[in-house]
Amino acid sequence: KAGVTQTPRYLIKTRGQQVTLSCSPISGHRSVSWYQQTPGQGLQFLFEYFSETQRNKGNFPGRFSGRQFSNSRSEMNVSTLELGDSALYLCASSLLSAGGASDGYTFGSGTRLTVV
Amino acid sequence: DAKTTQPNSMESNEEEPVHLPCNHSTISGTDYIHWYRQLPSQGPEYVIHGLTSNVNNRMASLAIAEDRKSSTLILHRATLRDAAVYYCILRGNGGATNKLIFGTGTLLAVQP
Repeated sequence: KAGVTQTPRYLIKTRGQQVTLSCSPISGHRSVSWYQQTPGQGLQFLFEYFSETQRNKGNFPGRFSGRQFSNSRSEMNVSTLELGDSALYLCASSLLSAGGASDGYTFGSGTRLTVV
Repeated sequence: DAKTTQPNSMESNEEEPVHLPCNHSTISGTDYIHWYRQLPSQGPEYVIHGLTSNVNNRMASLAIAEDRKSSTLILHRATLRDAAVYYCILRGNGGATNKLIFGTGTLLAVQP
């Protein structure tokens, strides 16, 4: 079966611009989570969506937002980009959400965002 | 959120078993123990998870201490493709805790 698909793979943006990243989960998975990975901070949780509702949010400023569509595809948006937003953004899908601690996540290969 | 402690790095020889330790002394009764690994230039990959009993799958085995304050991921025969960062993560039940909190993990080097 197809894995988690993230587009684009690479992106270069200028400070102050905004960016939208896309994630298509595994077919049938209704939970989509987003993570940011940087050399300094490692992997950090951004937010989770389940059935189009944000279920959980990490400690990131309001410039970071997301949404989930009825087909479970998800997008995340970063507005007013800063140099420090340069990172690998990873999307992960799972079958369950709340109460799904026994469920594993499947990650995509990520979108590498560079802000110049 | 409960934390885990892992060695920063470990080395193994190819075709030998590898035991990757993880301490989680503040684990709660409903926390599952998950292991993920991240190969270079890829997203994390699910390896195995467990609650109380030891678990086996095609990738690895997970040995959980009786008091659940520690666990060990066992790769039975390391290959060069197992070189990765291995993360031990506690995952709680319920919406607010339904996220993965990654530590720094253990960088496993496999020598031919």
